[in-house]
Amino acid sequence: DVKVTQSSRYLVKRTGEKVFLECVQDMDHENMFWYRQDPGLGLRLIYFSYDVKMKEKGDIPEGYSVSREKKERFSLILESASTNQTSMYLCASSLIISGANVLTFGAGSRLTVL
Amino acid sequence: GQNIDQPTEMTATEGAIVQINCTYQTSGFNGLFWYQQHAGEAPTFLSYNVLDGLEEKGRFSSFLSRSKGYSYLLLKELQMKDSASYLCASMDSNYQLIWGAGTKLIIKP
Repeated sequence: DVKVTQSSRYLVKRTGEKVFLECVQDMDHENMFWYRQDPGLGLRLIYFSYDVKMKEKGDIPEGYSVSREKKERFSLILESASTNQTSMYLCASSLIISGANVLTFGAGSRLTVL
Repeated sequence: GQNIDQPTEMTATEGAIVQINCTYQTSGFNGLFWYQQHAGEAPTFLSYNVLDGLEEKGRFSSFLSRSKGYSYLLLKELQMKDSASYLCASMDSNYQLIWGAGTKLIIKP
């Protein structure tokens, strides 16, 4: 069964701390994504990557950075966590099949910043 | 501009049929996705439409009208396990997805 695995389901951090969210996929997908999901809003794209060592800003990159040193791993970094970054973070990987960019998601990491 | 609208919440009865609508405005429209997300879990892919018409997959069907910027997800013979949020997303010509806020479907016995 194909998988996207996020390292932590629940994290609690303090304002100003550095936070690492790890994501690993075992499907050999080229594309990987980080989204945040907040009540009443659609998924918002933070960063994405189409290849190793490549990254592109999404719609809300401010306050975040990413790293993709290996094809299977895409990390999201909050350099200095703030309370407005309390959210559910979803990682996804994808393959474009017959013109469709079909995403497979991880189970999510719920981050609370105090 | 880019915009996706879907109802916030719907309620239906076990065994019945429900239709969840989605309207979109997407530059360079290149397809429409539906995902299911149970509470606390990952969204999972349900369907993809790029041509007009109805695609049927068991109890679930998805419809697209490109000229109207409209799609719906039809769920038949509802089961309690269908209680979930249903996310609509349009794809643009760069393969980027624009997501709706999701429709929470509540199934009552």
